[in-house]
Amino acid sequence: GAGVSQTPSNKVTEKGKYVELRCDPISGHTALYWYRQSLGQGPEFLIYFQGTGAADDSGLPNDRFFAVRPEGSVSTLKIQRTERGDSAVYLCASSIRGDVYNEQFFGPGTRLTVL
Amino acid sequence: GDSVTQMEGPVTLSEEAFLTINCTYTATGYPSLFWYVQYPGEGLQLLLKATKADDKGSNKGFEATYRKETTSFHLEKGSVQVSDSAVYFCALRNGGYQKVTFGTGTKLQVIP
Repeated sequence: GAGVSQTPSNKVTEKGKYVELRCDPISGHTALYWYRQSLGQGPEFLIYFQGTGAADDSGLPNDRFFAVRPEGSVSTLKIQRTERGDSAVYLCASSIRGDVYNEQFFGPGTRLTVL
Repeated sequence: GDSVTQMEGPVTLSEEAFLTINCTYTATGYPSLFWYVQYPGEGLQLLLKATKADDKGSNKGFEATYRKETTSFHLEKGSVQVSDSAVYFCALRNGGYQKVTFGTGTKLQVIP
């Protein structure tokens, strides 16, 4: 079946611009996660959704970052006033439920470059 | 906070060599431990996991044992193949927390 998909695969923007990154989780998965992977680093947690609500947004670096999941399926990560330091690969993952016994399945990521 | 430390790469081995990638962790309580693999051009995939002390996770010839006394979860494979070339991430998930904490990754290159 289809895995987690993310669009776009690559996004180049200028400093100060607004960007939206989209994640389509595996059908039926109630839990959705966003991570950010900077060059040479492991993924870092940003936010976790259980259904439509953000159950844990402790990893969002500042208030320029925001994510939504209005219908409990597709999620959008929104970044305002982008900075060069935001350049990274943004990964989305989903799992059947948000507990430790359920594997998180990762998408291929969106590579964001802020010039 | 929780953290994972793994050996820096790249690691270059000849085909059929023995592989060890070291991983240690810092966490309160009793985390679950994971190894993820990222093949070139592909997304992260779960390779193996262990959920309690002394558990051994295994998959595709890879093994790792959860050692609470040394807070370690070293990845091993007895005979690597060229197709094992990838970046390997050690990770943990702690109790009720949903997020996964990753190490920085170790790139493995296997040459024929």
